[in-house]
Amino acid sequence: EIVLTQSPATLSLSPGERATLSCRASQSVSSYLGWYQQKPGQAPRLLIYEASNRATGIPARFSGSGSGTDFTLTISSLEPEDFAVYYCQQRSNWPLTFGGGTKVEIK
Amino acid sequence: QVQLQQSGPGLVKPSQTLSLTCAISGDSVSSNSVAWNWIRQSPSRGLEWLGRTYYRSKWYNDYAVSVKSRITINPDTSNNQFSLQLNSVTPEDTAVYYCARGIFGGLNWFAPWGQGTLVTVSS
Repeated sequence: EIVLTQSPATLSLSPGERATLSCRASQSVSSYLGWYQQKPGQAPRLLIYEASNRATGIPARFSGSGSGTDFTLTISSLEPEDFAVYYCQQRSNWPLTFGGGTKVEIK
Repeated sequence: QVQLQQSGPGLVKPSQTLSLTCAISGDSVSSNSVAWNWIRQSPSRGLEWLGRTYYRSKWYNDYAVSVKSRITINPDTSNNQFSLQLNSVTPEDTAVYYCARGIFGGLNWFAPWGQGTLVTVSS
Protein backbone atom coordinates (compact mmCIF):
# COMPACT_ATOMS: atom_id res chain seq x y z
CA GLU A 1 0.00 0.00 0.00
CA ILE A 2 1.31 3.46 -0.91
CA VAL A 3 1.50 5.76 2.09
CA LEU A 4 1.04 9.48 1.50
CA THR A 5 2.59 11.80 4.08
CA GLN A 6 1.43 15.40 4.15
CA SER A 7 3.28 18.29 5.71
CA PRO A 8 2.98 20.41 7.62
CA ALA A 9 0.06 19.13 9.70
CA THR A 10 -1.07 22.72 10.25
CA LEU A 11 -0.25 25.88 8.33
CA SER A 12 -1.07 29.21 9.96
CA LEU A 13 -1.31 32.03 7.44
CA SER A 14 -3.11 35.30 6.81
CA PRO A 15 -5.46 36.08 3.93
CA GLY A 16 -3.48 37.20 0.90
CA GLU A 17 -0.46 35.05 1.78
CA ARG A 18 0.87 32.19 -0.31
CA ALA A 19 0.27 28.63 0.94
CA THR A 20 2.56 25.75 0.02
CA LEU A 21 1.42 22.25 1.00
CA SER A 22 3.48 19.09 0.55
CA CYS A 23 2.56 15.47 -0.12
CA ARG A 24 5.22 12.76 -0.22
CA ALA A 25 4.54 9.23 -1.47
CA SER A 26 6.24 6.12 -0.08
CA GLN A 27 6.98 5.04 -3.67
CA SER A 28 6.62 6.64 -7.06
CA VAL A 29 3.07 7.43 -8.16
CA SER A 30 4.20 9.04 -11.43
CA SER A 31 1.80 11.97 -11.93
CA TYR A 32 -1.21 10.12 -10.54
CA LEU A 33 -1.81 12.38 -7.58
CA GLY A 34 -4.70 14.67 -6.73
CA TRP A 35 -5.77 17.17 -4.10
CA TYR A 36 -9.04 17.75 -2.27
CA GLN A 37 -10.33 20.54 -0.04
CA GLN A 38 -12.61 19.79 2.91
CA LYS A 39 -14.40 22.37 5.02
CA PRO A 40 -15.98 21.55 8.41
CA GLY A 41 -19.18 19.53 8.04
CA GLN A 42 -18.74 19.17 4.27
CA ALA A 43 -17.57 16.49 1.90
CA PRO A 44 -14.20 16.79 0.20
CA ARG A 45 -14.06 18.67 -3.12
CA LEU A 46 -11.69 17.75 -5.93
CA LEU A 47 -9.24 20.56 -6.70
CA ILE A 48 -6.41 19.02 -8.72
CA TYR A 49 -6.00 15.70 -10.54
CA GLU A 50 -3.07 14.10 -12.37
CA ALA A 51 -0.75 16.33 -10.30
CA SER A 52 -1.42 19.60 -12.10
CA ASN A 53 -4.87 19.65 -13.74
CA ARG A 54 -7.46 21.88 -12.12
CA ALA A 55 -10.90 20.34 -11.79
CA THR A 56 -13.96 22.08 -13.20
CA GLY A 57 -14.70 25.39 -11.53
CA ILE A 58 -11.52 25.53 -9.44
CA PRO A 59 -9.97 29.03 -9.30
CA ALA A 60 -6.62 29.65 -10.92
CA ARG A 61 -5.03 30.53 -7.56
CA PHE A 62 -4.88 26.77 -6.90
CA SER A 63 -2.05 24.96 -8.66
CA GLY A 64 -0.40 21.59 -8.33
CA SER A 65 3.04 20.37 -9.25
CA GLY A 66 5.39 17.45 -8.83
CA SER A 67 5.93 13.90 -10.02
CA GLY A 68 7.29 10.65 -8.68
CA THR A 69 7.21 10.94 -4.91
CA ASP A 70 7.10 14.68 -4.15
CA PHE A 71 4.12 16.91 -4.83
CA THR A 72 3.04 20.43 -3.95
CA LEU A 73 -0.28 22.23 -3.80
CA THR A 74 0.11 25.99 -3.97
CA ILE A 75 -2.54 28.57 -3.20
CA SER A 76 -1.11 31.77 -4.61
CA SER A 77 -3.07 34.23 -2.46
CA LEU A 78 -5.33 32.91 0.28
CA GLU A 79 -8.96 33.95 0.21
CA PRO A 80 -11.10 33.68 3.38
CA GLU A 81 -12.92 30.66 1.92
CA ASP A 82 -9.63 28.76 1.43
CA PHE A 83 -9.10 28.05 5.12
CA ALA A 84 -9.84 24.33 5.29
CA VAL A 85 -8.20 20.91 5.38
CA TYR A 86 -6.46 19.65 2.25
CA TYR A 87 -5.90 16.00 1.36
CA CYS A 88 -3.81 14.37 -1.32
CA GLN A 89 -4.81 11.07 -2.98
CA GLN A 90 -2.97 8.68 -5.30
CA ARG A 91 -4.44 6.50 -8.03
CA SER A 92 -1.21 4.86 -9.16
CA ASN A 93 -1.66 1.61 -7.23
CA TRP A 94 -4.50 -0.25 -5.56
CA PRO A 95 -5.67 0.37 -2.98
CA LEU A 96 -6.32 4.03 -3.64
CA THR A 97 -5.00 5.93 -0.64
CA PHE A 98 -5.27 9.38 0.88
CA GLY A 99 -2.87 11.45 2.94
CA GLY A 100 -3.61 12.49 6.51
CA GLY A 101 -4.34 16.10 5.63
CA THR A 102 -2.95 19.59 6.14
CA LYS A 103 -5.08 22.13 7.95
CA VAL A 104 -4.72 25.69 6.67
CA GLU A 105 -5.84 27.98 9.47
CA ILE A 106 -6.09 31.72 9.88
CA LYS A 107 -3.12 33.25 11.67
CA GLN B 1 -24.91 19.65 -12.44
CA VAL B 2 -24.39 16.25 -10.87
CA GLN B 3 -25.67 15.83 -7.34
CA LEU B 4 -25.57 12.84 -5.01
CA GLN B 5 -28.07 12.47 -2.16
CA GLN B 6 -27.40 9.89 0.52
CA SER B 7 -29.94 8.18 2.75
CA GLY B 8 -29.87 5.51 5.41
CA PRO B 9 -29.75 4.96 9.18
CA GLY B 10 -27.19 6.64 11.37
CA LEU B 11 -27.11 3.93 14.03
CA VAL B 12 -26.37 0.25 13.47
CA LYS B 13 -25.96 -2.46 16.09
CA PRO B 14 -22.78 -4.55 16.22
CA SER B 15 -22.88 -7.67 14.01
CA GLN B 16 -25.72 -6.23 11.91
CA THR B 17 -25.66 -4.82 8.37
CA LEU B 18 -24.98 -1.20 7.47
CA SER B 19 -27.10 -0.13 4.47
CA LEU B 20 -26.87 3.20 2.64
CA THR B 21 -28.25 4.48 -0.65
CA CYS B 22 -26.95 7.20 -2.95
CA ALA B 23 -29.44 8.80 -5.36
CA ILE B 24 -27.96 10.34 -8.50
CA SER B 25 -29.24 13.41 -10.34
CA GLY B 26 -27.64 14.90 -13.42
CA ASP B 27 -25.94 11.66 -14.48
CA SER B 28 -26.81 7.99 -14.91
CA VAL B 29 -25.76 5.05 -12.80
CA SER B 30 -25.49 3.19 -16.12
CA SER B 31 -23.10 5.71 -17.68
CA ASN B 32 -20.15 4.00 -19.36
CA SER B 33 -17.71 6.79 -18.59
CA VAL B 34 -17.84 7.04 -14.79
CA ALA B 35 -17.79 4.85 -11.70
CA TRP B 36 -19.81 5.02 -8.48
CA ASN B 37 -17.91 4.78 -5.23
CA TRP B 38 -18.24 4.54 -1.47
CA ILE B 39 -15.61 6.15 0.76
CA ARG B 40 -15.56 6.54 4.52
CA GLN B 41 -13.79 8.87 6.91
CA SER B 42 -12.97 8.38 10.56
CA PRO B 43 -10.47 9.99 12.95
CA SER B 44 -8.60 6.70 13.34
CA ARG B 45 -8.46 5.59 9.70
CA GLY B 46 -8.71 8.86 7.80
CA LEU B 47 -10.23 8.70 4.31
CA GLU B 48 -10.64 5.12 3.16
CA TRP B 49 -11.91 4.03 -0.25
CA LEU B 50 -14.27 1.05 0.13
CA GLY B 51 -15.41 0.08 -3.32
CA ARG B 52 -17.15 0.94 -6.57
CA THR B 53 -19.55 -0.23 -9.23
CA TYR B 54 -19.49 0.70 -12.90
CA TYR B 55 -21.07 -0.29 -16.20
CA ARG B 56 -19.14 -1.28 -19.32
CA SER B 57 -21.63 -3.38 -21.27
CA LYS B 58 -22.05 -5.27 -18.03
CA TRP B 59 -21.69 -4.43 -14.35
CA TYR B 60 -18.39 -4.60 -12.54
CA ASN B 61 -17.40 -4.16 -8.90
CA ASP B 62 -14.10 -3.47 -7.18
CA TYR B 63 -13.68 -3.66 -3.40
CA ALA B 64 -10.99 -2.75 -0.91
CA VAL B 65 -9.23 -5.80 0.49
CA SER B 66 -9.92 -4.57 4.02
CA VAL B 67 -13.69 -5.00 3.61
CA LYS B 68 -13.94 -7.37 0.64
CA SER B 69 -15.51 -10.23 2.59
CA ARG B 70 -18.24 -7.99 4.04
CA ILE B 71 -19.16 -5.44 1.36
CA THR B 72 -21.65 -5.33 -1.49
CA ILE B 73 -22.25 -2.35 -3.79
CA ASN B 74 -25.24 -2.63 -6.09
CA PRO B 75 -26.61 -0.39 -8.84
CA ASP B 76 -30.33 0.29 -9.01
CA THR B 77 -31.10 1.34 -12.58
CA SER B 78 -34.83 1.75 -11.96
CA ASN B 79 -34.21 4.52 -9.44
CA ASN B 80 -30.85 5.78 -10.76
CA GLN B 81 -29.05 5.11 -7.52
CA PHE B 82 -26.57 2.72 -5.95
CA SER B 83 -26.24 1.19 -2.55
CA LEU B 84 -23.73 0.04 0.02
CA GLN B 85 -24.15 -2.94 2.30
CA LEU B 86 -21.51 -3.72 4.90
CA ASN B 87 -22.11 -6.86 6.92
CA SER B 88 -21.04 -7.88 10.41
CA VAL B 89 -20.19 -4.37 11.50
CA THR B 90 -18.14 -3.57 14.60
CA PRO B 91 -17.48 -0.27 16.37
CA GLU B 92 -14.42 0.12 14.11
CA ASP B 93 -16.85 0.69 11.21
CA THR B 94 -18.09 3.88 12.85
CA ALA B 95 -17.37 6.65 10.35
CA VAL B 96 -18.82 9.23 8.02
CA TYR B 97 -19.72 7.40 4.82
CA TYR B 98 -19.66 9.20 1.48
CA CYS B 99 -20.75 8.22 -2.00
CA ALA B 100 -18.82 9.79 -4.86
CA ARG B 101 -18.59 9.69 -8.64
CA GLY B 102 -15.31 8.52 -10.10
CA ILE B 103 -14.10 10.42 -13.13
CA PHE B 104 -11.07 11.11 -15.34
CA GLY B 105 -7.97 8.95 -15.23
CA GLY B 106 -8.90 5.40 -14.33
CA LEU B 107 -12.18 6.81 -12.98
CA ASN B 108 -10.28 7.24 -9.74
CA TRP B 109 -10.77 10.93 -9.07
CA PHE B 110 -13.85 11.67 -7.01
CA ALA B 111 -16.27 14.46 -7.92
CA PRO B 112 -18.80 15.23 -6.72
CA TRP B 113 -19.37 13.63 -3.32
CA GLY B 114 -22.59 13.05 -1.43
CA GLN B 115 -23.28 15.00 1.73
CA GLY B 116 -22.02 12.23 4.01
CA THR B 117 -23.79 10.05 6.57
CA LEU B 118 -22.42 9.57 10.05
CA VAL B 119 -22.92 5.91 10.91
CA THR B 120 -22.36 4.89 14.50
CA VAL B 121 -22.02 1.22 15.37
CA SER B 122 -23.26 0.76 18.91
CA SER B 123 -25.67 -1.35 20.89
